[in-house]
Amino acid sequence: DQQVKQNSPSLSVQEGRISILNCDYTNSMFDYFLWYKKYPAEGPTFLISISSIKDKNEDGRFTVFLNKSAKHLSLHIVPSQPGDSAVYFCAAPSGAGSYQLTFGKGTKLSVIP
Amino acid sequence: DAGITQSPRHKVTETGTPVTLRCHQTENHRYMYWYRQDPGHGLRLIHYSYGVKDTDKGEVSDGYSVSRSKTEDFLLTLESATSSQTSVYFCAIRPGQERNSPLHFGNGTRLTVT
Repeated sequence: DQQVKQNSPSLSVQEGRISILNCDYTNSMFDYFLWYKKYPAEGPTFLISISSIKDKNEDGRFTVFLNKSAKHLSLHIVPSQPGDSAVYFCAAPSGAGSYQLTFGKGTKLSVIP
Repeated sequence: DAGITQSPRHKVTETGTPVTLRCHQTENHRYMYWYRQDPGHGLRLIHYSYGVKDTDKGEVSDGYSVSRSKTEDFLLTLESATSSQTSVYFCAIRPGQERNSPLHFGNGTRLTVT
């Protein structure tokens, strides 16, 4: 049973516009969330995170929003650049002691020049 | 690359043969992980380790075993490879001590089982 869900397998956005990637979770015990970015033939790299005590965290062009009541988070990229084209994974600490990381299935973002 | 080396980077093997993938870290981080990435499934945890000789199962551990005899090396073994184990395998480490600290990933091993 998926605890972290990314329901959009792909997203295409024009360069310069906003990209919004969505993630839903089912476990109300999750209190921290991370976003990873993955290019082909490379490992995932950490992008940005958010604690459940916040509803927004910003880092340059990347902002993550958390809506705890809806169990929903989103990653906004503004403005989108062609180099942002990658697969984005949402993740949450889970398991015994929360030292595991449970990932969503990912959303492939294509930024069109 | 966070000091993580995965070997081999690519491997083709036949069904029924044993395969061992190696993950080596240059720093003495306690936690190490093996994930697999498949289309439509994202990243799924196979096994992880929280110290030398201390390992535990993840979400998709059937058909896999692991060993950690030294802090720097975490081995993933497929005792008898099957076509369903064709995948890209990623090793990860947890550099921070807090449970929320991000994992750092290696560049993966692409395994094809024919």
